Amino acid sequence: SAVISQKPSRDICQRGTSLTIQCQVDSQVTMMFWYRQQPGQSLTLIATANQGSEATYESGFVIDKFPISRPNLTFSTLTVSNMSPEDSSIYLCSVTTVGDNYEQYFGPGTRLTVT
Amino acid sequence: DQQVKQNSPSLSVQEGRISILNCDYTNSMFDYFLWYKKYPAEGPTFLISISSIKDKNEDGRFTVFLNKSAKHLSLHIVPSQPGDSAVYFCAASDRGSTLGRLYFGRGTQLTVWP
Repeated sequence: SAVISQKPSRDICQRGTSLTIQCQVDSQVTMMFWYRQQPGQSLTLIATANQGSEATYESGFVIDKFPISRPNLTFSTLTVSNMSPEDSSIYLCSVTTVGDNYEQYFGPGTRLTVT
Repeated sequence: DQQVKQNSPSLSVQEGRISILNCDYTNSMFDYFLWYKKYPAEGPTFLISISSIKDKNEDGRFTVFLNKSAKHLSLHIVPSQPGDSAVYFCAASDRGSTLGRLYFGRGTQLTVWP
């Protein structure tokens, strides 16, 4: 498994501003992902953070709105840009560890409220 | 289009009894299935998984059953304890084509009462 930390744990932001969320892992991992969980909804994959290259975004998510960086094997950031109240969600970083089982391990999440 | 479905948003069980959480999926290419538990203000915690080559996997009080023909899996918790009260998410993956990509259900809130 892996120990994952996220910063900030929560924030309240004004409409039109941007917030950058950090994800730090205690070991080198193969894959890093960013998810969103809106109230009462499932976990939705935003993108796969690729080390040293552009992230791979899922349908409905674009780089201009959710720019992602992954400068090394243990760290990634997700920025939520030009926020609106609809962006109020829990944002979760997850990783897969080396091996065949493809279990994903999640960080504690960042609870974002946009007013 | 929800490829993984948990049709029961909530389940209430008495302590000591069995909890059965159900999950259905539509994509026949899924070959790996996972259950996660989530407490409020925490990230999901991996609980147990099963490969499509098996029909049962057991880990202590937790057992996952897979019925491929019905595209159905279930998580059994025996005996249930109040500390098991949490939201349980079912997830599925097609390991061959989408490395690491998990598809989640909407979750079932389990409440275990004394």
